[in-house]
Amino acid sequence: GESVGLHLPTLSVQEGDNSIINCAYSNSASDYFIWYKQESGKGPQFIIDIRSNMDKRQGQRVTVLLNKTVKHLSLQIAATQPGDSAVYFCAENSAGGTSYGKLTFGQGTILTVHP
Amino acid sequence: GAVVSQHPSRVICKSGTSVKIECRSLDFQATTMFWYRQFPKQSLMLMATSNEGSKATYEQGVEKDKFLINHASLTLSTLTVTSAHPEDSSFYICSAETGRHEQYFGPGTRLTVT
Repeated sequence: GESVGLHLPTLSVQEGDNSIINCAYSNSASDYFIWYKQESGKGPQFIIDIRSNMDKRQGQRVTVLLNKTVKHLSLQIAATQPGDSAVYFCAENSAGGTSYGKLTFGQGTILTVHP
Repeated sequence: GAVVSQHPSRVICKSGTSVKIECRSLDFQATTMFWYRQFPKQSLMLMATSNEGSKATYEQGVEKDKFLINHASLTLSTLTVTSAHPEDSSFYICSAETGRHEQYFGPGTRLTVT
């Protein structure tokens, strides 16, 4: 599937604040969910992933929450820094097994961190 | 580890010509690679799945004769845009799947067709 958005949602925060980026996914059969960060003119960079049998996973300064009941995924960034400014995409995979396989990307959110 | 490169990073070509983009996994072998296309301020759209030693699997609406994919080795997949037109101008991104089934993305190739 494809996800297309002409007007990406935006989130502006002050340096040091916590950021929460949300994503709604469509396929209840999806096994893996991944958050990517994309800086201008670059490819997506892996941030964190979570399997469908989990509802929370923490990384360094980031936490991903998964609510399968309402098919919602969120990325929390603690103590947001100017270097966190980028477009953030969620992606879901429903290939099954242990493979990411084909990913369906969400529309993305532009995060801007003000010093 | 898990570094994916693309070449070239930018290319400008004339309408009607063909352009080849390379995607390489530098420190791992990738049986499966993926090609995406991204328009400005939009999300990534999967074009095709490239499997080493076999034909690529194209997504619905993607012309296989226009976007030729070759995955001749475990570290290299190529995308050739044939008879390019201005509407093919876009950001093309590849990804490669590791043995742990994680997917890492290349830095992208900006194609401009004049």
